[in-house]
Amino acid sequence: ETGVTQTPRHLVMGMTNKKSLKCEQHLGHNAMYWYKQSAKKPLELMFVYSLEERVENNSVPSRFSPECPNSSHLFLHLHTLQPEDSALYLCASSQEATAGYPLSYNEQFFGPGTRLTVL
Amino acid sequence: RKEVEQDPGPFNVPEGATVAFNCTYSNSASQSFFWYRQDCRKEPKLLMSVYSSGNEDGRFTAQLNRASQYISLLIRDSKLSDSATYLCVVNKGSNFNKFYFGSGTKLNVKP
Repeated sequence: ETGVTQTPRHLVMGMTNKKSLKCEQHLGHNAMYWYKQSAKKPLELMFVYSLEERVENNSVPSRFSPECPNSSHLFLHLHTLQPEDSALYLCASSQEATAGYPLSYNEQFFGPGTRLTVL
Repeated sequence: RKEVEQDPGPFNVPEGATVAFNCTYSNSASQSFFWYRQDCRKEPKLLMSVYSSGNEDGRFTAQLNRASQYISLLIRDSKLSDSATYLCVVNKGSNFNKFYFGSGTKLNVKP
């Protein structure tokens, strides 16, 4: 177990549906991430939250809307998705460098992912 | 130019072989370096961090060459269970962590 959980693990939705993906980390980290991984493609960074503030939005369409209510929880709200949005959505967490916690220990840990299919 | 480049492979090797993967990164300000392993349809899992002096964990050895902006992973005595995709990851973080992933190198270890 990596200490990062995601629900649901599988999701099938129509293009007009609204759904949300949930991520929770139990590692005491202060940064969380959403990634998209399409079949046979590398990981694409979508959003980064550092200290509960969104610090990166990697040109993601507005039909994806992230929310980070606290440092342990991260959501990805989905609406009017397209079939090409079908992919594995991965959440990750890490610890930002602070005094006493140098960058060399800031490994990123991933949840198991949500496999999303848009019909 | 991509931030992190890897040979996609696949590397097809027999059990017991030694195999090496290389990775180059474009930003000299990169701060920390990692190798992750990803099995088919699963999440990436940290294999090892890469330290400036090089480091070893059992059959796995990682090296970093900052001058050449190059990272390597050596796997000795390959096992069937080593078959996976190996991802090179670089953290360029300044104000906050920013991880860049290579596209991965696929390893197939055959009996």
